Amino acid sequence: EDQVTQSPEALRLQEGESSSLNCSYTVSGLRGLFWYRQDPGKGPEFLFTLYSAGEEKEKERLKATLTKKESFLHITAPKPEDSATYLCAVQAGSNYKLTFGKGTLLTVNP
Amino acid sequence: DAMVIQNPRYQVTQFGKPVTLSCSQTLNHNVMYWYQQKSSQAPKLLFHYYDKDFNNEADTPDNFQSRRPNTSFCFLDIRSPGLGDAAMYLCATSRIRNNEQFFGPGTRLTVL
Repeated sequence: EDQVTQSPEALRLQEGESSSLNCSYTVSGLRGLFWYRQDPGKGPEFLFTLYSAGEEKEKERLKATLTKKESFLHITAPKPEDSATYLCAVQAGSNYKLTFGKGTLLTVNP
Repeated sequence: DAMVIQNPRYQVTQFGKPVTLSCSQTLNHNVMYWYQQKSSQAPKLLFHYYDKDFNNEADTPDNFQSRRPNTSFCFLDIRSPGLGDAAMYLCATSRIRNNEQFFGPGTRLTVL
């Protein structure tokens, strides 16, 4: 069974304090790893798809990387508006399903 | 802008009273999904449509049904809501099954 574990569960940063969120996964035949941002009371917002180890993608202050066992979401010089829950999900084998982690709740204080 | 729309955003129903949640999309995607998300938990897939082909998850209770009358619309019917069905219900779409999914804003269901 596909498993996704995100750490830490919660992270509190000061504005400008860079850090990384971790998503470790156990799957058979990774098709894609997805990062989403979810604000309270809203649906997840798509950020990135990563397909193979070594791949990196960037968007503003966010950079996602992928290895064979985990993915990192690096946040450089975060701002308070980056505060949200960040969800990681994997799609594997012939299974269309997204298996989500429980998310990391990021709080950025001004 | 192309998007996924869910109505209503908030729904209050009584224990056992049927309720229908609505999802529409302007992305012209082939696949539409329904997820249930409870507080501080990961979204849980209930079922999906690939075009007109309905796919139920094995652990989705019979209390939950879905209809997709056309490409743009999909409905979630909860026949007899229980207190445990109170949750955020998320609709998502993707062009094909193995693509990224785009989510609507969700419907928050309260069961009294």
